[in-house]
Amino acid sequence: DAKTTQPPSMDCAEGRAANLPCNHSTISGNEYVYWYRQIHSQGPQYIIHGLKNNETNEMASLIITEDRKSSTLILPHATLRDTAVYYCIVRAETSGSRLTFGEGTQLTVNP
Amino acid sequence: GAGVSQTPSNKVTEKGKYVELRCDPISGHTALYWYRQSLGQGPEFLIYFQGTGAADDSGLPNDRFFAVRPEGSVSTLKIQRTERGDSAVYLCASSLTGRRNQETQYFGPGTRLLVL
Repeated sequence: DAKTTQPPSMDCAEGRAANLPCNHSTISGNEYVYWYRQIHSQGPQYIIHGLKNNETNEMASLIITEDRKSSTLILPHATLRDTAVYYCIVRAETSGSRLTFGEGTQLTVNP
Repeated sequence: GAGVSQTPSNKVTEKGKYVELRCDPISGHTALYWYRQSLGQGPEFLIYFQGTGAADDSGLPNDRFFAVRPEGSVSTLKIQRTERGDSAVYLCASSLTGRRNQETQYFGPGTRLLVL
């Protein structure tokens, strides 16, 4: 699976948009970009995934650059409950099983 | 509906003892995964079941770790001769088929294992 690089920590003011970057410069054509988050003392929670096109769901938006070497997860109106570690994962077509987590980004939403 | 459940939520044991950790996947999910998460790290893959069989056990760290899923539903992760380094959160996840890389994995809350 392609390696991902994320900043170790970010801060965001409550009510503002949180933009979490991820670099995956070695991504290959059929690999999907996934985002999970983990709130303290809970299991990881799926947020969103995409291949080439931008995606949006009730939780977040995912913007993937045209060359697919980086992506940004956007939480449009961050709340205190969005404080968590956010993991960007690239998932190979042949590894339908495992998810390979990095160290993620600790997002702290401040009041 | 019910999510993935894991028992116990916390387990304290002594070095050298045997422990069993249980995972109940989402009903109807044929794929089941075990991960281990050390403090400050992301989860690390241990083993993946497709039905009753282990399709990928390459993440098990050594032969003290073993997992079963005899009826294709509940799974048990077994650790023999526990060591202090085994202390971690053990996470279980399930997905519908495990055969497509678009498939979402749903995680349980984890079992926090402390080996004294």
